[in-house]
Amino acid sequence: ETGVTQTPRHLVMGMTNKKSLKCEQHLGHNAMYWYKQSAKKPLELMFVYSLEERVENNSVPSRFSPECPNSSHLFLHLHTLQPEDSALYLCASSQDQWAGELFFGEGSRLTVL
Amino acid sequence: GQSLEQPSEVTAVEGAIVQINCTYQTSGFYGLSWYQQHDGGAPTFLSYNALDGLEETGRFSSFLSRSDSYGYLLLQELQMKDSASYFCAVRVSVDSNYQLIWGAGTKLIIKP
Repeated sequence: ETGVTQTPRHLVMGMTNKKSLKCEQHLGHNAMYWYKQSAKKPLELMFVYSLEERVENNSVPSRFSPECPNSSHLFLHLHTLQPEDSALYLCASSQDQWAGELFFGEGSRLTVL
Repeated sequence: GQSLEQPSEVTAVEGAIVQINCTYQTSGFYGLSWYQQHDGGAPTFLSYNALDGLEETGRFSSFLSRSDSYGYLLLQELQMKDSASYFCAVRVSVDSNYQLIWGAGTKLIIKP
């Protein structure tokens, strides 16, 4: 139990599907993050939310749409994805956006057919 | 651009000592972090160095030399459970926000 829970753990979808990834943190943190992890590549920061407000968007394609309804929950809405979007999507949280330590969930393994 | 370099794979023997190096080219450097990730698991925080020198936490130690843009993670008395990927990450300032720039990870293979 890491304090950050992601669902689903595995997801297979076609390019025309719409799906969502969910993240919940039980740590009382104020910042939440979405990262993309591909094999043998550095983690890629996608989105950062601080106190439910988006503070960072690293030029992510619009087919990825984040939502942060409150400080404990973070969603990543997916639509019209491409096969190259197949990866592990990691959610993380931290005390605030300036904190040095991130707490990660176990990730959602996405396969796009 | 900003980048970090670390070996892709390191092999060591149970009970031995291993060092995983990380060199970086970044601007606005604030500190170097290390994370451990087991296969199928979440990355977990190991250490953070903001100042030069060695930080020790049990069997793990982390070193930073800001003048050399270099750091390393030292694992002693290796155990089979230490088999995992280890990521270095540099904390930098980007447009008044802090951000982590990550290395590609080092897979540590431990043999009995």
